[in-house]
Amino acid sequence: GDSVTQMEGPVTLSEEAFLTINCTYTATGYPSLFWYVQYPGEGLQLLLKATKADDKGSNKGFEATYRKETTSFHLEKGSVQVSDSAVYFCALSDIAGTGNQFYFGTGTSLTVIP
Amino acid sequence: GAGVSQSPSNKVTEKGKDVELRCDPISGHTALYWYRQRLGQGLEFLIYFQGNSAPDKSGLPSDRFSAERTGESVSTLTIQRTQQEDSAVYLCASSLIQGGNQPQHFGDGTRLSIL
Repeated sequence: GDSVTQMEGPVTLSEEAFLTINCTYTATGYPSLFWYVQYPGEGLQLLLKATKADDKGSNKGFEATYRKETTSFHLEKGSVQVSDSAVYFCALSDIAGTGNQFYFGTGTSLTVIP
Repeated sequence: GAGVSQSPSNKVTEKGKDVELRCDPISGHTALYWYRQRLGQGLEFLIYFQGNSAPDKSGLPSDRFSAERTGESVSTLTIQRTQQEDSAVYLCASSLIQGGNQPQHFGDGTRLSIL
């Protein structure tokens, strides 16, 4: 079945450091891929998405490229800020089959220190 | 507001009581999901509604959990005879349809505490 695997945290970085959070997936169809961010006490917010191979999603300085050959969708940011401290979830949406076809990774907690 | 609305935002109840959680999806969204998120953990899928199709209940952890949705509107998640392990944040999400490039839109959740 479909699944998403993302790197375990927690991740702690200094402000202005480079961020990579790895995400790989398994899917039976041709999924769309998403990154969500969850700030403390809030629900998840869509950060970026990519709907086909080689697409790059970007938002708020974050980027992720849909790599079909490596089944990956790694999240990157060149210079993190304290305000980026949150939990990040990788997800996929697959239209193959019936029932729930939306799958989330387990989340990666990021703390950015000044 | 145009977002997903959940109520109550917080609920404290005694073990053994029944609770009902409410989710108002974004208008026009045919797909609706419930998740459970324990403290410091990821999302645990509970149930998925798509229009008038039979819901996908494969994530419900026990028969104490049930959910309903009338058409494409409000959904309620009911937990009967609550146990302490039910303490968690319950998140609701909706999307225009399932599949393709349609993201889920989340509410802020209901924080449930069982004493």
